[in-house]
Amino acid sequence: QKEVEQNSGPLSVPEGAIASLNCTYSDRGSQSFFWYRQYSGKSPELIMSIYSNGDKEDGRFTAQLNKASQYVSLLIRDSQPSDSATYLCAVTAALGGSEKLVFGKGTKLTVNP
Amino acid sequence: GAVVSQHPSRVICKSGTSVKIECRSLDFQATTMFWYRQFPKQSLMLMATSNEGSKATYEQGVEKDKFLINHASLTLSTLTVTSAHPEDSSFYICSAVRLAGGSTSSYNEQFFGPGTRLTVL
Repeated sequence: QKEVEQNSGPLSVPEGAIASLNCTYSDRGSQSFFWYRQYSGKSPELIMSIYSNGDKEDGRFTAQLNKASQYVSLLIRDSQPSDSATYLCAVTAALGGSEKLVFGKGTKLTVNP
Repeated sequence: GAVVSQHPSRVICKSGTSVKIECRSLDFQATTMFWYRQFPKQSLMLMATSNEGSKATYEQGVEKDKFLINHASLTLSTLTVTSAHPEDSSFYICSAVRLAGGSTSSYNEQFFGPGTRLTVL
């Protein structure tokens, strides 16, 4: 059974701080890793994808991947109240998003003004 | 990002009726679409993989005769919940795979529709 584990939170940070979200996965053959943001009552929105070890930065978001440790993280710098949402980590064995994704249960983030 | 639409966004029906949900990729063609279901405070669970022109592949535990999937074109997949019951009430979300090449990504990416909230009375 392929599993993706996330700390369910809630994670609470003050506005302007760095929020750190973590995810581990069980399938060592996984090749693609995604972070989705889901606001309450809405569908997930893709915010980051990462395919190779190291860091990938996009604006205030940085994804970090360590395949040896089977660990992927998301850092949100200068957190804003609008970042308050549930963040879903998703993993797939394919390179890219062509195949089914295995989702973690999500970490709920609250950014306090 | 790519645009995926779903219709209807919300539906309330009586127990025993059938409900059809449409998923459309508006600005790209999608040979593969996925259907997920999400119960309150839980993560997304994949129900089935929908491939254009072929039968859908269902996940273990998902009744193919109850959840009918049709992917008749490269931009449209439909999910029909037949003889719906209250336990089928959930948030149904589709996603569509956009192939690499015309986007900023070198890899295929999966984009989600806005979801359909089904309530069965």
